[in-house]
Amino acid sequence: KNEVEQSPQNLTAQEGEFITINCSYSVGISALHWLQQHPGGGIVSLFMLSSGKKKHGRLIATINIQEKHSSLHITASHPRDSAVYICAVRFGNEKLTFGTGTRLTIIP
Amino acid sequence: ETGVTQTPRHLVMGMTNKKSLKCEQHLGHNAMYWYKQSAKKPLELMFVYNFKEQTENNSVPSRFSPECPNSSHLFLHLHTLQPEDSALYLCASSQVLGDEAFFGQGTRLTVV
Repeated sequence: KNEVEQSPQNLTAQEGEFITINCSYSVGISALHWLQQHPGGGIVSLFMLSSGKKKHGRLIATINIQEKHSSLHITASHPRDSAVYICAVRFGNEKLTFGTGTRLTIIP
Repeated sequence: ETGVTQTPRHLVMGMTNKKSLKCEQHLGHNAMYWYKQSAKKPLELMFVYNFKEQTENNSVPSRFSPECPNSSHLFLHLHTLQPEDSALYLCASSQVLGDEAFFGQGTRLTVV
């Protein structure tokens, strides 16, 4: 069964802390996405990756194909980073399978 | 602003009503998607359109009827919904099928 698991489900941290959100999947994938969903509901695509590492501003996404694991890191976290972060994977040519999300709250 | 616009943002409808959700993108994308997000559940893909043709219906009940008149517009027609259909409905588009998707803000639907 193609599954996606995220951890933690909820994360609260102080402003400035280094944040790590994890995503594990069950079988080989063709692509992995990290998405950000703000309280209003809109979703923004942060990264799409199939290997290695990508960086955009304070956000870094890594993927380890052998371990079937990806991490999303946020450096120098800020209250505006508070959102739900969703991992989604594509198993082969199938549709995207979504994790249940990690709710991140950054306290000033 | 992602370039994908959904209207309305909020909708309350009775079980006997008929309403439509609208999605519009002018990004030049050829694939469009409807997703449903219920409370405490992962996003669920409902429909996929590629070059105006429906390529996927993920076992969605017939009370949800999609329409894609052109590559820029996607509608979701709703009729005789149930309270359990209350959710956030998200539209997305991508350049080609399977490519990185751009999402709209969503329509929060409440069925009473």
